[in-house]
Parts: sequence; C-alpha cells; structure tokens
Amino acid sequence: GESVGLHLPTLSVQEGDNSIINCAYSNSASDYFIWYKQESGKGPQFIIDIRSNMDKRQGQRVTVLLNKTVKHLSLQIAATQPGDSAVYFCVPNQAGTALIFGKGTTLSVSS
Amino acid sequence: KAGVTQTPRYLIKTRGQQVTLSCSPISGHRSVSWYQQTPGQGLQFLFEYFSETQRNKGNFPGRFSGRQFSNSRSEMNVSTLELGDSALYLCASSLEDPSTDTQYFGPGTRLTVL
Repeated sequence: GESVGLHLPTLSVQEGDNSIINCAYSNSASDYFIWYKQESGKGPQFIIDIRSNMDKRQGQRVTVLLNKTVKHLSLQIAATQPGDSAVYFCVPNQAGTALIFGKGTTLSVSS
Repeated sequence: KAGVTQTPRYLIKTRGQQVTLSCSPISGHRSVSWYQQTPGQGLQFLFEYFSETQRNKGNFPGRFSGRQFSNSRSEMNVSTLELGDSALYLCASSLEDPSTDTQYFGPGTRLTVL
C-alpha cells in the first residue's frame, strides 16, 4: 500500500523567507497529488494539486514540484507569512484507492 | 456555495455509550468520506460513501459504521465507545471520487470520551 513520508515533521522559518516542504511517496501508480493545509481547530484546506502528467504547478505564492522518477514532491511557499503557520499534508492519490494523509509537517512562522 | 458542515462540533460521551455524527456535503457532491484524527496516529481514513453505498473502508473495528442518505448527507456511528475513540472526526466531500476529484473538508467534530 501507499506510504507517505514528509521529510521533516516540523519546519521553522522567519516571516518573509521562502519555505519548502518535502514529501516522498511509495506508490509509483499514484497519479494525482494534493497539498492540504490544516490550521489549528480547523479541517484540512485544499491548497494546490498536481497531476502526474505535470512536473510543476504554480498558485498564489505556492508552487508544487513533482519528480516521479524519485517519487518526491515539494511545496514551496514564497514570502512566508504568519498566517501560513499550520500543518501541511501531502496526499498522493491513485484512482479507486483511499487517501493516505500521514502526520503532516508543522510549519511555524516567526515574525 | 456553502462548504461541508458537520454537527455537532463538540461532543462529550462516556465509555460504553454510542454516538452519531452528521455531515452535509457541498451541494452537488456525491462522495462523502470520514476520517479520524488523533495526535498519535495522524489523519486516518475511516470509510467513503457514494450513492448511499460504502465504496471504500479503512482499517477500523466494526464499532465504526456509517451510512449515506439519498441527498448525499452522511452519518457515522461509533458504538461501545472507548477512551481511545477520543479524536477529531472529519468529514470530506468530493464530486464523484476522492481519489481523482478535490476533496473538501468540514470543520470536524471533536469527540471526547470520558
């Protein structure tokens, strides 16, 4: 089955810095990848997704990079703000199977 | 468009009791999934319903059950509560298939078992 490993359980950055959250997945059949952000006391919130036919996708202040060869993806947050402090989940999907969230990476932004 | 709603938001029960949690998906969404979130185990998949049928199930005991109604609203039930069932229970909805469509989460129900 799929397993998801986030390289660091916690990441601390200064406000204004760029943040990079890394994620490794095990199932080479995964073809759809989603990043979620969960703030304290709330449910996970969709940030950005990427399909396996792409290697990069950009959103507002966020960029996701996918390297299928090494089964790795990353979430880059530009000019990190205190409001970005949250737990981030990388969720690789394979059609027809249940989603595996793992424990996430906690991003702490200090001002 | 209203988001996913869950009721109640907070619940306190005692061991041995049973509990029912409710979830209303985003309008037009037909798939509803349930998750349990605890500090130790993280966010774990319970089950997924589509068209009133359980389509996928996680690795939880039979005390955890659910159902979906014709309007896509869903409920989950936990019988014979144990202390370890204390958790945040999250419901998420998607258009058809959570493995290919974006899944949107509700705020969760915080269950405390005493």
